[in-house]
Amino acid sequence: AQKITQTQPGMFVQEKEAVTLDCTYDTSDPSYGLFWYKQPSSGEMIFLIYQGSYDQQNATEGRYSLNFQKARKSANLVISASQLGDSAMYFCAMSEYNTDKLIFGTGTRLQVFP
Amino acid sequence: ETGVTQTPRHLVMGMTNKKSLKCEQHLGHNAMYWYKQSAKKPLELMFVYSLEERVENNSVPSRFSPECPNSSHLFLHLHTLQPEDSALYLCASSQEKGGRVANEKLFFGSGTQLSVL
Repeated sequence: AQKITQTQPGMFVQEKEAVTLDCTYDTSDPSYGLFWYKQPSSGEMIFLIYQGSYDQQNATEGRYSLNFQKARKSANLVISASQLGDSAMYFCAMSEYNTDKLIFGTGTRLQVFP
Repeated sequence: ETGVTQTPRHLVMGMTNKKSLKCEQHLGHNAMYWYKQSAKKPLELMFVYSLEERVENNSVPSRFSPECPNSSHLFLHLHTLQPEDSALYLCASSQEKGGRVANEKLFFGSGTQLSVL
């Protein structure tokens, strides 16, 4: 079974608009962490934001926020006020306490246009 | 200097060649990783080293041989590769608190784009 599902292979957004990138996950482990990474064309994966399964509030980091809906097992990334430099691949990932592994989704390619 | 440096950035090799990928981290981290990124597939964890000891070998073929001589350096030795091994190979490091690696924020290098002919 796929642990991390990103159903949007590609997304377009206009500059200065907000965009939501979807991520759903599957785990029976009560203790887990959720991550989002950005991969620009240079190849480097850049950490954006982290949400722990026991965190009561949604994580925020600047223009990035994570819409954590535990019952629905979703961890969508919201980027506010999109910039041209946000154009990149975005990967959702999950770590489970019991397996001690970080598992990635297939990614969503975001393109920001002027 | 960036936190995690990988060399070379690009590598083309024949199936009978032997080559090595190098990764160096300047962050003082204790854990280092190799990931394989193929087109349209999730990143695949290959190896994890914690304090220079291999803690994870994710069913990787023996034609890939990792080496971690110290906590700052990680190598991936390649021998008799197949065309399907062509991919972006990413190195990462993490602080590794409390002996567990999966809940750590990873810092990645820019990768080595490998083409096997």
